[in-house]
Amino acid sequence: AQSVTQPDIHITVSEGASLELRCNYSYGATPYLFWYVQSPGQGLQLLLKYFSGDTLVQGIKGFEAEFKRSQSSFNLRKPSVHWSDAAEYFCAVGAGGQNFVFGPGTRLSVLP
Amino acid sequence: NAGVTQTPKFQVLKTGQSMTLQCAQDMNHEYMSWYRQDPGMGLRLIHYSVGAGITDQGEVPNGYNVSRSTTEDFPLRLLSAAPSQTSVYFCASRRSQGSYEQYFGPGTRLTVT
Repeated sequence: AQSVTQPDIHITVSEGASLELRCNYSYGATPYLFWYVQSPGQGLQLLLKYFSGDTLVQGIKGFEAEFKRSQSSFNLRKPSVHWSDAAEYFCAVGAGGQNFVFGPGTRLSVLP
Repeated sequence: NAGVTQTPKFQVLKTGQSMTLQCAQDMNHEYMSWYRQDPGMGLRLIHYSVGAGITDQGEVPNGYNVSRSTTEDFPLRLLSAAPSQTSVYFCASRRSQGSYEQYFGPGTRLTVT
């Protein structure tokens, strides 16, 4: 069965510092991979997605993610975090048909 | 376009009560789904629909019913609310079953006492 793990429940970084959020998945075939962001009290917004091709994908708000098949990972990065990036981040796998599997989420706090 | 809309935003129910969470989309999407979000568990699929008149169960369907009489609307019914159904509920839509770009509504926060 498909699964998604996000090892870090909560991460705190200083504004201007770099960020990497980890995501590992378990799926037998090539997955479709997604990162969503959820601001407090809001719905989920798609940051970026990977379907095929270049393994480094660019998203909105200055985020990027790299698909590493050998490590079954799809880590999210940002070179310089802004206070407005404080939110919860979800990694998800689209695993065929209707099936989306979400990770448990990583909450990001940003220190001024 | 309003995208995906959900009502109400907040709801408090007593155990045993029933209610319907509303979801509508104006993007002419075939595929709609309901998720619940619980702390530390991400989003879990409750029910989904691949088109008007067609619905199916997701990962956690017990205690919920859905119907899809029109393309636009996909209501979620709680038959007899239980405290375990306290959660945040999200409706989502996408163009078709083969499309993986989901659009989420703002959510309904439900508390069952």
